[in-house]
Amino acid sequence: AQSVTQLGSHVSVSEGALVLLRCNYSSSVPPYLFWYVQYPNQGLQLLLKYTTGATLVKGINGFEAEFKKSETSFHLTKPSAHMSDAAEYFCAVGARTGNQFYFGTGTSLTVIP
Amino acid sequence: NAGVMQNPRHLVRRRGQEARLRCSPMKGHSHVYWYRQLPEEGLKFMVYLQKENIIDESGMPKERFSAEFPKEGPSILRIQQVVRGDSAAYFCASSPRGGGSYEQYFGPGTRLTVT
Repeated sequence: AQSVTQLGSHVSVSEGALVLLRCNYSSSVPPYLFWYVQYPNQGLQLLLKYTTGATLVKGINGFEAEFKKSETSFHLTKPSAHMSDAAEYFCAVGARTGNQFYFGTGTSLTVIP
Repeated sequence: NAGVMQNPRHLVRRRGQEARLRCSPMKGHSHVYWYRQLPEEGLKFMVYLQKENIIDESGMPKERFSAEFPKEGPSILRIQQVVRGDSAAYFCASSPRGGGSYEQYFGPGTRLTVT
């Protein structure tokens, strides 16, 4: 079975600082990988995804993530945080066989002015 | 192109009543997923449906919960005899195809409060 671990349920960064949100998965076969963002009282919005090919994936709003097979990781980064980045971020994996998605428990990002 | 629609956005029910949550997928999407989000928790998969078929209901509680996605009309998640523990945000997502490589497009959610 798949599982997704997001280290750090709450992360605080200063405006302009690097954002690093961690995601590790457990699977014998590398799954498809996604990052979603959820703003208060809204649904989830896709930031980026990795399915195949280049392991560094660029998404919306200046975010990017790198798939590292050896570390079973898919960490999300942004060079410079904006106040508008404050939200809940979810890592998700989609199985290469089957239909189910598995979500991490989320990381709440706070940006300090 | 309209996104995933869910209604109502907020639903208040008393213990023992029934709750019906509706989800209209994006145009052209025939795959629907339902998730539940409890406060301070991530999303928990409940059920995956295609038109007229339940594909995977491994995340659905065994009792009181049911889901359908008829040939015509929205997908419906039905909770009978609600209890306080059912209070949560319920999200619907749709995708054009099944399989783990296709991103899911989420609706704004229905926030159920059981009093």
